[in-house]
Amino acid sequence: ETGVTQSPTHLIKTRGQQVTLRCSSQSGHNTVSWYQQALGQGPQFIFQYYREEENGRGNFPPRFSGLQFPNYSSELNVNALELDDSALYLCASSFGIRAGYTFGSGTRLTVV
Amino acid sequence: SQQGEEDPQALSIQEGENATMNCSYKTSINNLQWYRQNSGRGLVHLILIRSNEREKHSGRLRVTLDTSKKSSSLLITASRAADTASYFCATDLDNNDMRFGAGTRLTVKP
Repeated sequence: ETGVTQSPTHLIKTRGQQVTLRCSSQSGHNTVSWYQQALGQGPQFIFQYYREEENGRGNFPPRFSGLQFPNYSSELNVNALELDDSALYLCASSFGIRAGYTFGSGTRLTVV
Repeated sequence: SQQGEEDPQALSIQEGENATMNCSYKTSINNLQWYRQNSGRGLVHLILIRSNEREKHSGRLRVTLDTSKKSSSLLITASRAADTASYFCATDLDNNDMRFGAGTRLTVKP
């Protein structure tokens, strides 16, 4: 049984660029949630996908968007990057929306 | 905004001692979960306690939930140096938003 895999592990982008982060959910999990974690803070909920549809969204602007694919893997897209978008982006999968989450190791995004 | 607030923000103890961390939250919940995070890596799920449960155990971990006070506690007994990490509580709200607190940074000295 594989866990949650995120790619890339590290990324440096320039302000104004666009970025796509990827997540492969744990086998058997149909729900994927994305979180942004700034240094020294707790994870902030971005959105959740359940069976390929957005199933909840946190307080993030529309330039944060996502997709979930039929195999339940997921992408997080961020347009018009800002310096404050620099953070650790975490993907978590679960079986159903009320179960414990399995987290990936995250993608460290630095915007310069 | 964050829903849960962990207390204390930092805790330093000796190996073998018990560590207690508290979490308070603001709105009604479906369940409350505790996670551990080592050095900015991914979070590891520890325990999920449902809103109709009052206490749960897993190995050296004991979690309590008091919905009347909107609070939870995590007790780690006989702590080890490997328990050094940040611990977060997360509350599962009705809109599928699972909110994390800012965490308690636990240091266990050998």
